[in-house]
Amino acid sequence: DAGVIQSPRHEVTEMGQEVTLRCKPISGHNSLFWYRQTMMRGLELLIYFNNNVPIDDSGMPEDRFSAKMPNASFSTLKIQPSEPRDSAVYFCATTGLAAYNEQFFGPGTRLTVL
Amino acid sequence: GQQLNQSPQSMFIQEGEDVSMNCTSSSIFNTWLWYKQDPGEGPVLLIALYKAGELTSNGRLTAQFGITRKDSFLNISASIPSDVGIYFCAGHHYGGSQGNLIFGKGTKLSVKP
Repeated sequence: DAGVIQSPRHEVTEMGQEVTLRCKPISGHNSLFWYRQTMMRGLELLIYFNNNVPIDDSGMPEDRFSAKMPNASFSTLKIQPSEPRDSAVYFCATTGLAAYNEQFFGPGTRLTVL
Repeated sequence: GQQLNQSPQSMFIQEGEDVSMNCTSSSIFNTWLWYKQDPGEGPVLLIALYKAGELTSNGRLTAQFGITRKDSFLNISASIPSDVGIYFCAGHHYGGSQGNLIFGKGTKLSVKP
């Protein structure tokens, strides 16, 4: 079975550009979490969805960040405009009803904003 | 907000030695999980614990759910070089939304051959 799929794996962009990160959850999983990981702050929860509905976006740093989950098999995290301090590794993780507290992580997207 | 204290922050050990790390919480949890993250990869689930006092093994790894429900430990026996990585504990508290976990800051393990 395919795990959580994230794309791209690496993204290098210039300050001010729009960045879109993508996540495909494990089939049948109904909760999806977006995290940001940096050396300074560790793993930070940005937003999570349950059954495609955003439940808590209090971790989203500012209005430049937005996330959508238009259907059960796809989610995006968008940063517009991007800034150098957004450089980090962004992870998507999902859980299902069978073991609903066990999050499974994707490989991450390493974002560098110049 | 909720916080998990994970210790130690880092460990430097010799191959073959046993390793122990732990996490404590200010509130009770109904689930404890342990993850390992290799460089350039996402965290991978090692062990999940659902009952107070539960002791679970996965190969050379053993983890326990503390009886107070506020702590958990992970032991690695006879460490090998591929055990190198960052180990995270995570917990789910009663009343929390499905899958919404609190993560520790991680324990960075280095193994000297």
